Amino acid sequence: ETGVTQSPTHLIKTRGQQVTLRCSSQSGHNTVSWYQQALGQGPQFIFQYYREEENGRGNFPPRFSGLQFPNYSSELNVNALELDDSALYLCASSLDGKNIQYFGAGTRLSVL
Amino acid sequence: DAKTTQPTSMDCAEGRAANLPCNHSTISGNEYVYWYRQIHSQGPQYIIHGLKNNETNEMASLIITEDRKSSTLILPHATLRDTAVYYCIVRVGEGGSEKLVFGKGTKLTVNP
Repeated sequence: ETGVTQSPTHLIKTRGQQVTLRCSSQSGHNTVSWYQQALGQGPQFIFQYYREEENGRGNFPPRFSGLQFPNYSSELNVNALELDDSALYLCASSLDGKNIQYFGAGTRLSVL
Repeated sequence: DAKTTQPTSMDCAEGRAANLPCNHSTISGNEYVYWYRQIHSQGPQYIIHGLKNNETNEMASLIITEDRKSSTLILPHATLRDTAVYYCIVRVGEGGSEKLVFGKGTKLTVNP
């Protein structure tokens, strides 16, 4: 157990819809990173939030956006869903973004 | 792109040591080597990390060559529960944002 929780566990959406995924970080951690993992691939970095500000972004379009709240929990929002957005979405929390990242179990998103 | 190269798959007998190699020939002097593993349908689990000295914890040992161009993760007594995809990662820091760049990892199968 890492103390990082994600919700929901599974989600099914249709193309064009919007989705919000949630992450509760480990107690005391102020940084959350989001990753996308397509089937058979390693996780790919989407972006990181540190103290409520975006602190780095991977090669993902603007329709992928996020928020971090004062309690350091976080949301990942994806607009205009595409079929290729079907993946496991992982969040990881860490202290100050420079130390060990602890991952949640992920949210499995299926876009039909 | 990932900065590491790992074999696609490996097998190991239960109770024997599993030695997982990783090449990271372009590693910079201040970059750490991290190892994570991902058991099917779960989030990645942190195992160990190091800079240039060998490291050991309750899960594994990490041996880094003197030139730091390669490393080996050692699971001293592999069990069936160690069957997973193992990722060797060079932590990349850009502008204060620390992200993990995953490759495809090594699929380790521990056989009874």
